[in-house]
Amino acid sequence: DTGVSQDPRHKITKRGQNVTFRCDPISEHNRLYWYRQTLGQGPEFLTYFQNEAQLEKSRLLSDRFSAERPKGSFSTLEIQRTEQGDSAMYLCASSFSGRTEAFFGQGTRLTVV
Amino acid sequence: QKEVEQDPGPLSVPEGAIVSLNCTYSNSAFQYFMWYRQYSRKGPELLMYTYSSGNKEDGRFTAQVDKSSKYISLFIRDSQPSDSATYLCALEKDSNYQLIWGAGTKLIIKP
Repeated sequence: DTGVSQDPRHKITKRGQNVTFRCDPISEHNRLYWYRQTLGQGPEFLTYFQNEAQLEKSRLLSDRFSAERPKGSFSTLEIQRTEQGDSAMYLCASSFSGRTEAFFGQGTRLTVV
Repeated sequence: QKEVEQDPGPLSVPEGAIVSLNCTYSNSAFQYFMWYRQYSRKGPELLMYTYSSGNKEDGRFTAQVDKSSKYISLFIRDSQPSDSATYLCALEKDSNYQLIWGAGTKLIIKP
């Protein structure tokens, strides 16, 4: 399977714990995006990378959220001190730079209890 | 007011019907228009991508953009039960790929 891969698919964590998600984009793609989606809503943009550089961060991305793409390949999204409001589907997508068509992974569903 | 408005549905139609899904937007700066399909508990899947006003056809799917009215549509011909999903429109203002999404319309095709 050469699509976008996300791990884990599901995560249940207690409030206050830290969680980390991983995204492996399509190998030829140099852009990688993170989105968050809650039930009944479209995805909300969080941040994106071109190669290893993080070029844009949404105002939605509080200090508790950090994303990395150390070698311009896979990316991680960490949420520190999770809150119940962080419960959502976290989606990763990738594309070629200059191309708008992006391909999404299956998402990581986070539940904070 | 949201930048992109989309009726959440659900929209229920019989198999074989022509389906019309729509979004309206308020900002004329949007240049790129996309339709994604999302099955339950899955990531969105790109269906159609258009840049200019007019129609674009791909198999049973037709995307229509009317920039003067700030209105975009997705038509599905000969609808199948497997088309049952949530359909999201996504719009982009520039090449930085900050997509602005509609809330999605849940479509149900009854056999």
